[in-house]
Amino acid sequence: GEDVEQSLFLSVREGDSSVINCTYTDSSSTYLYWYKQEPGAGLQLLTYIFSNMDMKQDQRLTVLLNKKDKHLSLRIADTQTGDSAIYFCAETPYGGSQGNLIFGKGTKLSVKP
Amino acid sequence: GAVVSQHPSWVICKSGTSVKIECRSLDFQATTMFWYRQFPKQSLMLMATSNEGSKATYEQGVEKDKFLINHASLTLSTLTVTSAHPEDSSFYICSARGAPGYEQYFGPGTRLTVT
Repeated sequence: GEDVEQSLFLSVREGDSSVINCTYTDSSSTYLYWYKQEPGAGLQLLTYIFSNMDMKQDQRLTVLLNKKDKHLSLRIADTQTGDSAIYFCAETPYGGSQGNLIFGKGTKLSVKP
Repeated sequence: GAVVSQHPSWVICKSGTSVKIECRSLDFQATTMFWYRQFPKQSLMLMATSNEGSKATYEQGVEKDKFLINHASLTLSTLTVTSAHPEDSSFYICSARGAPGYEQYFGPGTRLTVT
């Protein structure tokens, strides 16, 4: 079955760049997503990338996709304390049930002032 | 962006009772709503997918008689946890989508604690 893996923790200093990594197993994934979850809250879609793209940039966020290695990364430039949250990588498997999402366990990003 | 609300945000109930959680799309019509469960420090696990006016499709291992889902209108879906037990304590999150291929918008979640 589909599986999405992420490292559980990342700690950076304010102003540095953060890179959160994710690997997935389903080579037929159509879309890959990054969601942000703040404490006690639901998920906020940050960005997504279609599987035929290598890179997508949106302001401070850069998504890199290595389809050969099934590796996805999210880079946050100039990380701020407000970026502290849990970041989930997710995929939509090809032919999945009406577009359901398969989530990783999430990476907790801690930003130190 | 579109807004999805959940009610209640936090509920404590006694073992054996039933609890209903509401998920509403506030400014769009949601043809499909998804219900997820999240354990502490764990990922979100899809429980079921519901389309307005149809029976929900449950994921493998999810008891449909225990987790009753109703999607009676284009803006409201409910999840009822029947005969709740302490192991049902979790964070339940819904999401709503307007049409296939469109973004899922997530609710803020409901924390259920069964004592």
